[in-house]
Amino acid sequence: QITLKESGPTLVKPTQTLTLTCTFSGFSFSTFGVGVGWIRQPPGKALEWLAIIYWDDDNRYSPSLKSRLTVTKDTSKNQVVLTMTNMDPVDTATYYCAHHSFGVVMFDYWGQGTLVTVSS
Amino acid sequence: QSALTQPASVSGSPGQSITISCTGTSSDVGGFNYVSWYLQNPGKAPKLMIYDVSKRPSGVSSRLSGSKSGNTASLTISGLQPEDEAEYYCSSYRSSSSSFDVVFGGGTKLTVL
Repeated sequence: QITLKESGPTLVKPTQTLTLTCTFSGFSFSTFGVGVGWIRQPPGKALEWLAIIYWDDDNRYSPSLKSRLTVTKDTSKNQVVLTMTNMDPVDTATYYCAHHSFGVVMFDYWGQGTLVTVSS
Repeated sequence: QSALTQPASVSGSPGQSITISCTGTSSDVGGFNYVSWYLQNPGKAPKLMIYDVSKRPSGVSSRLSGSKSGNTASLTISGLQPEDEAEYYCSSYRSSSSSFDVVFGGGTKLTVL
């Protein structure tokens, strides 16, 4: 059974750096092809893909946000960390992590999401 | 403005069929068979319903089907049921200068009358 859960601050100030952790179970980065992605959704708006990290430490970033994003993993802890720099009120959103497999462009298991508000 | 275009809303009566369209370009929907569809209920995480244009994950009802023609993908739900009422999002791989990109549609609210 695959589960994922996001954790991190609910409120950050403009210009600060956001750090979110995704803790998962039911799969492992020790397995070929495993990936974890990040997707966000501003209140009342559409989904937006942010990043993916793979079992082999390869990663992919949204072209529009690439300069602000970093994603890393800790295989032993079954965790993925997303950092986003220079936060702005427009970055207010629910941030989701999701299971992904190399070679298949979809996210088949999602965390419950965590709402991050950017405000001074 | 979302990268893929979906109608804001569609509706149908129980038992009827509806189709939700998802229009992109030759760089995404039209160029690759990597279209997926997600259902999202209010306050909940999205749920994968269709991937690779027309494949259903285990456990997803056979009343849902996906297809693609040119730059437009479609999700069809037959035999509408009240529990189908939700927001539906399409997604596609997009070829870009950074080599990998995933884009979403703006979402379609399905109302079962």
